[in-house]
Amino acid sequence: DAKTTQPNSMESNEEEPVHLPCNHSTISGTDYIHWYRQLPSQGPEYVIHGLTSNVNNRMASLAIAEDRKSSTLILHRATLRDAAVYYCILIRPGTYKYIFGTGTRLKVLA
Amino acid sequence: EAQVTQNPRYLITVTGKKLTVTCSQNMNHEYMSWYRQDPGLGLRQIYYSMNVEVTDKGDVPEGYKVSRKEKRNFPLILESPSPNQTSLYFCASTTLSSSSSDTGELFFGEGSRLTVL
Repeated sequence: DAKTTQPNSMESNEEEPVHLPCNHSTISGTDYIHWYRQLPSQGPEYVIHGLTSNVNNRMASLAIAEDRKSSTLILHRATLRDAAVYYCILIRPGTYKYIFGTGTRLKVLA
Repeated sequence: EAQVTQNPRYLITVTGKKLTVTCSQNMNHEYMSWYRQDPGLGLRQIYYSMNVEVTDKGDVPEGYKVSRKEKRNFPLILESPSPNQTSLYFCASTTLSSSSSDTGELFFGEGSRLTVL
């Protein structure tokens, strides 16, 4: 199974954009890139996913490198409520092995 | 409201006393899974199920059992709990997309905090 690598923690100021990186150098051609976040005392929640093209939704944007070996989750304006652990995982259709690592703990400063 | 419901949310038990953590989803999802979360180790998959009567081991299945007799329910069974199973447990579900070229988002329950003394 392909693995992902994320920084353990990051800090951001409120109202500023946040770029959360993820490396997945062993990604295969069919692997989807998923992002989840876990707010304090809650279960993880889906944020966004993509395959090759950049993706946008109401929560965030996902920028995928051309070679697909890395991706970046972009929060356009961080709020205190965005403080969470963010997980980047790879999913291969048909296998459904959703393997989470330890993620990136995002701290948002007021 | 679409949701994954786990019970109990909190439980303190003693070594060797069998217990079951229930998980139920109302989204008609085929796929269900159990995770445990421990400090510094992130989320680790225990078991998963692709459909009724179809289950498979995840990364840390030792000491756990599961069953999938109905599509909506996926209980986690600890036949003889031990202190190293003290953890925060999450159940999750997703649809197995009719399009085999995409992957579905996982929906998680709120978690069950288990303490084994």
